Amino acid sequence: EAGVAQSPRYKIIEKRQSVAFWCNPISGHATLYWYQQILGQGPKLLIQFQNNGVVDDSQLPKDRFSAERLKGVDSTLKIQPAKLEDSAVYLCASSLVGGPQHFGDGTRLSIL
Amino acid sequence: AQKITQTQPGMFVQEKEAVTLDCTYDTSDPSYGLFWYKQPSSGEMIFLIYQGSYDQQNATEGRYSLNFQKARKSANLVISASQLGDSAMYFCAMSRTGANSKLTFGKGITLSVRP
Repeated sequence: EAGVAQSPRYKIIEKRQSVAFWCNPISGHATLYWYQQILGQGPKLLIQFQNNGVVDDSQLPKDRFSAERLKGVDSTLKIQPAKLEDSAVYLCASSLVGGPQHFGDGTRLSIL
Repeated sequence: AQKITQTQPGMFVQEKEAVTLDCTYDTSDPSYGLFWYKQPSSGEMIFLIYQGSYDQQNATEGRYSLNFQKARKSANLVISASQLGDSAMYFCAMSRTGANSKLTFGKGITLSVRP
């Protein structure tokens, strides 16, 4: 089966610019997650969707980050405006309810 | 709140030997799951093995086994017959059982396999 697809793979922007990431989960996976992984650390959850509803966004910096999952399939994560500390790898994962999470290759974001 | 602790510095192992990567956890949830993921330098996060808190037997998956000691709150990963391709970062993680199943990760351990 096809894995979790993410794009772009790399992105370089200047601070205060905006950026968007896209994720297509494994077919049939109702749960979708966005994680932020800062260099040298483990991933940290930003937001979790169950179909197109938000289950947990307690760690999402809502003044600058937004995410949506229209129609319960694809998802986009946006940052506007970006700050230097947003430099990280953004990982998308999906799972069946209660199943292990399967991750995409991630988007490596660099803020200049 | 859940917490995962991985305190080993970089680990080295000789090819074909076994290696144990340590993980301790803390949670007040009565039901939870423990996971190990591998992250090569290319960046993708690869699921290796899962252990449920109520599982009676330790999980095994090919060359990977999870040494689960509930009373000690430890969930160590054992890799048998190490291969050069096992060189990577390894993350221990846990989640609650149920719908809100976000993963809480440790800081990871770097494993280097020597030929």
